Amino acid sequence: NAGVTQTPKFQVLKTGQSMTLQCAQDMNHNSMYWYRQDPGMGLRLIYYSASEGTTDKGEVPDGYNVSRLKKQNFLLGLESAAPSQTSVYFCASSYGSSGLSTDTQYFGPGTRLTVL
Amino acid sequence: AQSVTQPDIHITVSEGASLELRCNYSYGATPYLFWYVQSPGQGLQLLLKYFSGDTLVQGIKGFEAEFKRSQSSFNLRKPSVHWSDAAEYFCAVVTDSNYQLIWGAGTKLIIKP
Repeated sequence: NAGVTQTPKFQVLKTGQSMTLQCAQDMNHNSMYWYRQDPGMGLRLIYYSASEGTTDKGEVPDGYNVSRLKKQNFLLGLESAAPSQTSVYFCASSYGSSGLSTDTQYFGPGTRLTVL
Repeated sequence: AQSVTQPDIHITVSEGASLELRCNYSYGATPYLFWYVQSPGQGLQLLLKYFSGDTLVQGIKGFEAEFKRSQSSFNLRKPSVHWSDAAEYFCAVVTDSNYQLIWGAGTKLIIKP
């Protein structure tokens, strides 16, 4: 099992460009999450999905969109990238179908995004 | 608002020495408590969690943590560290107000040979 995989590993964008970060899990997990990690701060939840076809906002959703068309995939989109979105992005998944974070979360290796 | 504080940004210990990483939370009731570890270039992995019951919790890789309600703390300990324990450690809580993880800023553990 690959677990949780993320593509790309690194990305550089110019202000105003758009892109999609991809996340895939092969553990048949129901819930998936997107976080961002900034220096000196803990992870912050951007969006989560408790099941295929459903998504909910987290703590910092502005400037992002997500889609969960297939159970194993969770995509994070940046519509118009801004320097403030320079960060490391982590995708995670968990077995429960409630989207509650009391379930153990399994993390991908992260995507390092720089917006110039 | 709920918050998690990890007072030490980084800690350096000698290989074989004991370790204690501090975590304090701000919440009126008892939250669900977690410790995750992030090895260099990798995602986070759950070390242990506390929901209720025995306040001393055993985790993977020889780690344990003790919940102290009176101090609102959930400190992580290991009796003897190994060079492979060098990583960043994150404390997190889940409260029954939103059921999502609230993370501390992390403590980077450096191991001296």
